[in-house]
Amino acid sequence: DVKVTQSSRYLVKRTGEKVFLECVQDMDHENMFWYRQDPGLGLRLIYFSYDVKMKEKGDIPEGYSVSREKKERFSLILESASTNQTSMYLCASSPFSSFRDRDTYEQYFGPGTRLTVT
Amino acid sequence: SQELEQSPQSLIVQEGKNLTINCTSSKTLYGLYWYKQKYGEGLIFLMMLQKGGEEKSHEKITAKLDEKKQQSSLHITASQPSHAGIYLCGADSGGYQKVTFGTGTKLQVIP
Repeated sequence: DVKVTQSSRYLVKRTGEKVFLECVQDMDHENMFWYRQDPGLGLRLIYFSYDVKMKEKGDIPEGYSVSREKKERFSLILESASTNQTSMYLCASSPFSSFRDRDTYEQYFGPGTRLTVT
Repeated sequence: SQELEQSPQSLIVQEGKNLTINCTSSKTLYGLYWYKQKYGEGLIFLMMLQKGGEEKSHEKITAKLDEKKQQSSLHITASQPSHAGIYLCGADSGGYQKVTFGTGTKLQVIP
C-alpha cells in the first residue's frame, strides 16, 4: 500500500513563527504536492515538485516556500506564519506522467495537518 | 484556468436512499477523478474516468463521464452511514499530474 505520512495531525503556532510541515511517501513517486483546504474554497494547490530539488508554484504560493532534498520527502515552509494561514494542509504524491504521454494516475494523500496560527 | 463546479454543496439523505452528485467543468475533461474525504482526514481515491461515455462502479458507487467530457456524476445506491463524508471531483489540469479540485459535496446519511 502507498503510504503518505505527514509530521503532525494538529499544530498550533504563533503569528510570526517559522513553521515546517513535513511529508514523506514510500512509493518512490516523482511528483509531490502541497494543498490547503478551506471551507467553501476546496483544495487549492500551493506548490508541487516533479523531481528532487525541482519545484513549481501552484495557485496560491504567496507566503509559502518548499524544499525537496530527497525524493521521498517534501517540506512546506511558512516563513512567518500569519492568521490567514490557519487551514488544513494536505500533502499528496503520484507517479510521474508527462503532458504529452497523457497517462493519468491518481494522487495519494496524507492524513492532513490542521494548522492553527494564533 | 479550469474550474469545477459541484452540486449540491451538501446533501442529507435517509439510509437506503439513492443519491447523485454532479461535477461540471468549464473545459473538456481529460482525466476526471473522484475522491472521498472523511471529516478531518485525507482524501481516498474512488475512481478515475478518461473517455467520453465511460462508466465505472465500485461496490454501490457508480461514476459516469458524459460524451462531451464536461460533466461527471457520482451515484450512490442504497446509501449507508459509511458513505458519509465529503466527495470531491478533480480534473487533470495539464502536465505533472496537476489536478484542479471542485469545492466538494458534503454528504450526511441518517440511519
